[in-house]
Amino acid sequence: QVQLQQWGAGLLKPSETLSLTCAVYGETFSGYSWSWIRQPPGKGLEWIGEINYSGATNYNPSLKSRVTISADTSKNQFSLNLRSVTAADTAVYYCARGPNSYGYSPFDYWGQGTLVTVSS
Amino acid sequence: DIQMTQSPSAMSASVGDRLTITCRASQGISDYLAWFQQKPGQVPQRLIYSATTLQSGVPSRFSGSGYGTEFTLTISSLQPEDFATYYCLQHDSYPFTFGPGTKVNVK
Repeated sequence: QVQLQQWGAGLLKPSETLSLTCAVYGETFSGYSWSWIRQPPGKGLEWIGEINYSGATNYNPSLKSRVTISADTSKNQFSLNLRSVTAADTAVYYCARGPNSYGYSPFDYWGQGTLVTVSS
Repeated sequence: DIQMTQSPSAMSASVGDRLTITCRASQGISDYLAWFQQKPGQVPQRLIYSATTLQSGVPSRFSGSGYGTEFTLTISSLQPEDFATYYCLQHDSYPFTFGPGTKVNVK
């Protein structure tokens, strides 16, 4: 059974860096991409970016200048760094599995979500 | 970016109703389309992938159809646990984009 467990700081000040990590249990990194998705309070879902098993990344252009997604395959973990946060980055952040290496089956497993609040 | 639109944005319905939600893509996305259900305070759950394939464990009253630019999610007989917000997702090209959501309320 695949499980994703995420953690990271929930309260940041403007200009700080958001850092979250997602650990993958019951599955290896190979064969899938691993994504970060966020949801501002009361709003819809936004894909942030992904990393695949070979370390290649793809980012949403709206955030690309501030985002880095990395992975530690030895620990089966991947991480999100978002620099220079503002109040507009306040959201629940999710990690999720997929798509697979064929481009199918997106986001079948999700982390529990982390509410990150940016406030001075 | 591929823009995803959903209609309606909200709807009121009763238990037993048949519901159809439409999702349109601004350009063709083949069948790289998934549907998610989200209840307040919960993690989104995938219902449908590859436009028409039912996720394992999801009740058969949910079905998906469509290809290219127009897709539908149908709930054949609405149950109390189905009152939620539904999102479509395109993963044909980067950046992946979600529709704005359709909220299904109790009539």
